[in-house]
Amino acid sequence: NAGVTQTPKFRILKIGQSMTLQCTQDMNHNYMYWYRQDPGMGLKLIYYSVGAGITDKGEVPNGYNVSRSTTEDFPLRLELAAPSQTSVYFCASSYPGVSPLHFGNGTRLTVT
Amino acid sequence: GESVGLHLPTLSVQEGDNSIINCAYSNSASDYFIWYKQESGKGPQFIIDIRSNMDKRQGQRVTVLLNKTVKHLSLQIAATQPGDSAVYFCAEDRNQFYFGTGTSLTVIP
Repeated sequence: NAGVTQTPKFRILKIGQSMTLQCTQDMNHNYMYWYRQDPGMGLKLIYYSVGAGITDKGEVPNGYNVSRSTTEDFPLRLELAAPSQTSVYFCASSYPGVSPLHFGNGTRLTVT
Repeated sequence: GESVGLHLPTLSVQEGDNSIINCAYSNSASDYFIWYKQESGKGPQFIIDIRSNMDKRQGQRVTVLLNKTVKHLSLQIAATQPGDSAVYFCAEDRNQFYFGTGTSLTVIP
């Protein structure tokens, strides 16, 4: 199993550009999540999904959108990139209930 | 709001010694906790978890202790090795996971 796979690993965007961060998992997990990690801060939840067709906002959703058309994929969309979105983005997945999150290796995004 | 915090941002230990990383949490209703290890350039990796109905749980070279009275969680790593050098986070499940800022562990050969 590959686990949680994120692409791209690195990306530089100009202010106002848009992009999609891809995330796919092969563990048949119902739950999927997007987090951002800023220096000196704990991971912050952006959006999550409890199953295909169901998404919900986390702690810091502004400036982002998600969709969940399949169990495996959970892309994160940035429509108008801003410098405040410079961060490392992690996708994670889990089984329902009391279960640990499994993380991908992240996408490092810089907006200039 | 409530948050998970770590007592020390950095910790240096000699190879072969035991390491103890601490974490404080503030929500007494939380019933599930996880420790993660994050190496440079990688995502957090699950180490060990514990439910609130337990005080202690052991894995391979790692032990997690939960003190609900003082809302404190610790991770003990036995016989620390250079490969253990990383940032360690605790996470608290309060309907969603809340993560600490992390402790950077450096193992001195």
